Amino acid sequence: EVQLVQSGAEVKKPGESLKISCKGSGYSFSNYWIAWVRQMPGKGLEWMGIIYAGDSDTTYSPSFQGQVTMSADKSINTAYLQWSSLKASDTAMYYCARLGVSTNGVWIPDHWGQGTLVTVSS
Amino acid sequence: DIQLTQSPSFLSASVGDRVTITCRASQGISSYLAWYQQKPGKAPKVLIYAASTLQSGVPSRFSGSGSGTEFTLTISSLQPEDFATYYCQQLNNYRLFGQGTKLEIK
Repeated sequence: EVQLVQSGAEVKKPGESLKISCKGSGYSFSNYWIAWVRQMPGKGLEWMGIIYAGDSDTTYSPSFQGQVTMSADKSINTAYLQWSSLKASDTAMYYCARLGVSTNGVWIPDHWGQGTLVTVSS
Repeated sequence: DIQLTQSPSFLSASVGDRVTITCRASQGISSYLAWYQQKPGKAPKVLIYAASTLQSGVPSRFSGSGSGTEFTLTISSLQPEDFATYYCQQLNNYRLFGQGTKLEIK
């Protein structure tokens, strides 16, 4: 069974750093892209970007370029999303998803993590 | 950037109703569109991709149509478990989502 398990909720102060994780199991982790999606409280979905777990090739959405860093460690089947200096506006739920269905070369999320709630408050 | 506009933003309907949600793209995106369902406190779930392809395991009461700039998601007969928020997403560059349509019980 394909599963993506995300790390637990975090409460941080502005300016602090943070790295959250997404661990895949039940499939060949290195052969798939992982997407990260943000959802701010009471708001819609925002596509942050994708990372290929096999070689850590990344593509960031323009709004998130330079704001976060995606990485992956294929030896432990885990993808990461990290911030070097959090802001209150980073408060949100963050989801990872495996891009596992393809249509005309475009990959679609087919399995999702449960989400990690990040709260940034002084 | 390609923008997506969903309508309506809120929809009130009853079990058994047929409902349609529209997603309009600011530029043509061929059939590069997906529809998601999200229930409170849960991760989103893909219903439809490539504008009209039903994701495996999704009930056949869900259907999608359209190409270019106008797309629709139709639920043929609403079930209690369908009350949720629905998002469209363009599958070209940057994968922007629509703003969402909240489907509520009348």
